[in-house]
Amino acid sequence: GGIITQTPKFLIGQEGQKLTLKCQQNFNHDTMYWYRQDSGKGLRLIYYSITENDLQKGDLSEGYDASREKKSSFSLTVTSAQKNEMAVFLCASSPGTGLDTQYFGPGTRLLVL
Amino acid sequence: GDSVTQKEGLVTLTEGLPVMLNCTYQTIYSNAFLFWYVHYLNESPRLLLKSSTDNKRTEHQGFHATLHKSSSSFHLQKSSAQLSDSALYYCALMGTNAYKVIFGKGTHLHVLP
Repeated sequence: GGIITQTPKFLIGQEGQKLTLKCQQNFNHDTMYWYRQDSGKGLRLIYYSITENDLQKGDLSEGYDASREKKSSFSLTVTSAQKNEMAVFLCASSPGTGLDTQYFGPGTRLLVL
Repeated sequence: GDSVTQKEGLVTLTEGLPVMLNCTYQTIYSNAFLFWYVHYLNESPRLLLKSSTDNKRTEHQGFHATLHKSSSSFHLQKSSAQLSDSALYYCALMGTNAYKVIFGKGTHLHVLP
């Protein structure tokens, strides 16, 4: 078995601030994902990475940067936090392609004041 | 592009009644994979079941779904709802991009005693 950890669990930021979310997995999975979860909008893909140092934009990449410097870790940066923004960011990993089961982390809850 | 539609945002029913959560999808890829993920409160989303075989029933933990390519549907069913089934259910599709999984907006299932 394995585990995905996300830090921090809660993140409170100020408008315009750059905020970084981190994700670590010990499954030794190749592919990692960042999703944003909003009520009524489902899970929307921000970035994904199919191997170390690879980055692929998802449907919601504007306003975000990502980094995959190691196979086990995948970071997401909110480049300029929007006032009153509230969302949950979920990290996931899978062994290979989209055919494989995705394993999700517990999420980071973001609130921008 | 690929898309997933879950028309019901909330389904409320009484324990013991049958469950049916609707999912339809669009893709030009003939070998699409369809998934149902479940997200219980205070847990991480996890895979419930998946299929790519037309007209074959897939079952797991009392739930079942059949992929019907003719109608582009993958509805989730259960014969008798339990209180513990209350959760957020996502239908998802792997279509034209082998690494990208498209999630629907999710359906909250609320089971009442």
